[in-house]
Amino acid sequence: DSGVTQTPKHLITATGQRVTLRCSPRSGDLSVYWYQQSLDQGLQFLIQYYNGEERAKGNILERFSAQQFPDLHSELNLSSLELGDSALYFCASSRTLGGLNTEAFFGQGTRLTVV
Amino acid sequence: AQKITQTQPGMFVQEKEAVTLDCTYDTSDPSYGLFWYKQPSSGEMIFLIYQGSYDQQNATEGRYSLNFQKARKSANLVISASQLGDSAMYFCAMREGAGAGSYQLTFGKGTKLSVIP
Repeated sequence: DSGVTQTPKHLITATGQRVTLRCSPRSGDLSVYWYQQSLDQGLQFLIQYYNGEERAKGNILERFSAQQFPDLHSELNLSSLELGDSALYFCASSRTLGGLNTEAFFGQGTRLTVV
Repeated sequence: AQKITQTQPGMFVQEKEAVTLDCTYDTSDPSYGLFWYKQPSSGEMIFLIYQGSYDQQNATEGRYSLNFQKARKSANLVISASQLGDSAMYFCAMREGAGAGSYQLTFGKGTKLSVIP
């Protein structure tokens, strides 16, 4: 158990809908990363938050947004969902902003299926 | 260009044998870190081992070792004495120096390892 909690584990929704994925980082971790894993794109970095502020942005669509709350949990909001958004969404956390050797601990992921 | 290349989509190894999973990387940053993660069929990502670009010695963690060849830009994972529980997807990943403004990990496509009894 990595200590990173993601809910829900599975989510099935229809095209055009909006969903929210939740992540609770390990106790004491200030940095949260979101990744998307799909069969065709592999593991892609979406966005990083550190202590409530956005710090880095990757291949995140405009239909997607995220935030990190004062209690350090984070939410990833996906809207106007398309079939291609079906993927495994991971949250990871680390103690600091992200030094070279900072290990990121991953949650178990949320499997999103858009039908 | 791919930053992390894993050329073996799938590998088979006999139980108790050693296996090497290949990873090459591409960066112009002198400061970087290389990671290997394991993803079993249950889906979670498990950290295995880390190698820093300035580390003089190859990293080792139990049955895992990293064969780091800096000039060739390769960071191969060696698993000794394979066990059935080692059957999983294995991902190589890189974090480049903070000066590049990148804090995230860039992952390869992965190698699926199957251990045969």
